[in-house]
Amino acid sequence: GQSLEQPSEVTAVEGAIVQINCTYQTSGFYGLSWYQQHDGGAPTFLSYNALDGLEETGRFSSFLSRSDSYGYLLLQELQMKDSASYFCAVGPGTYKYIFGTGTRLKVLA
Amino acid sequence: NAGVTQTPKFQVLKTGQSMTLQCAQDMNHNSMYWYRQDPGMGLRLIYYSASEGTTDKGEVPNGYNVSRLNKREFSLRLESAAPSQTSVYFCASTFTGNTIYFGEGSWLTVV
Repeated sequence: GQSLEQPSEVTAVEGAIVQINCTYQTSGFYGLSWYQQHDGGAPTFLSYNALDGLEETGRFSSFLSRSDSYGYLLLQELQMKDSASYFCAVGPGTYKYIFGTGTRLKVLA
Repeated sequence: NAGVTQTPKFQVLKTGQSMTLQCAQDMNHNSMYWYRQDPGMGLRLIYYSASEGTTDKGEVPNGYNVSRLNKREFSLRLESAAPSQTSVYFCASTFTGNTIYFGEGSWLTVV
């Protein structure tokens, strides 16, 4: 079957750097995406990796290693507004995207 | 630009009742999805439609049916609602697959 594993919760202080890991097991692979979701809101797209390596978008970076079936999201200069849930998602088929169970990030002042 | 619009936002159903969740997108996307989200379970794919005229089962399709009415609209139907279907439902769409756009969610309670 398909599975994605993420830590359930991560806590960090404002201004710090935090890394959220994602390991996946899927029958196929068409890229790893990351989404942010605030309580009561909809998931919103953050980052996408189709190839191995690091993608940087402002304070957020995402990394992928296809040989290890592993990726991570790196958040720098944490702000209170970054408190949210973060989901990794994998496309085992070109149009079929499966999500992880999510990591709840708490940013402390 | 409205993006992905889904209705209703909130609904309470009695066990055994039926209802349809409506979803429309105005971004000319080919692919559309229905996910459900339960506490601690993340987003689970119910059904998806890779393109107009096609639909496929996702991870948790039992108890649901879908219709891709046209390129813009993708509806989800619960024929006989059960308490286990109490959840938040998200409709989503994408053009390339690497960026998925979500609707605001529909909170469904089955009593």
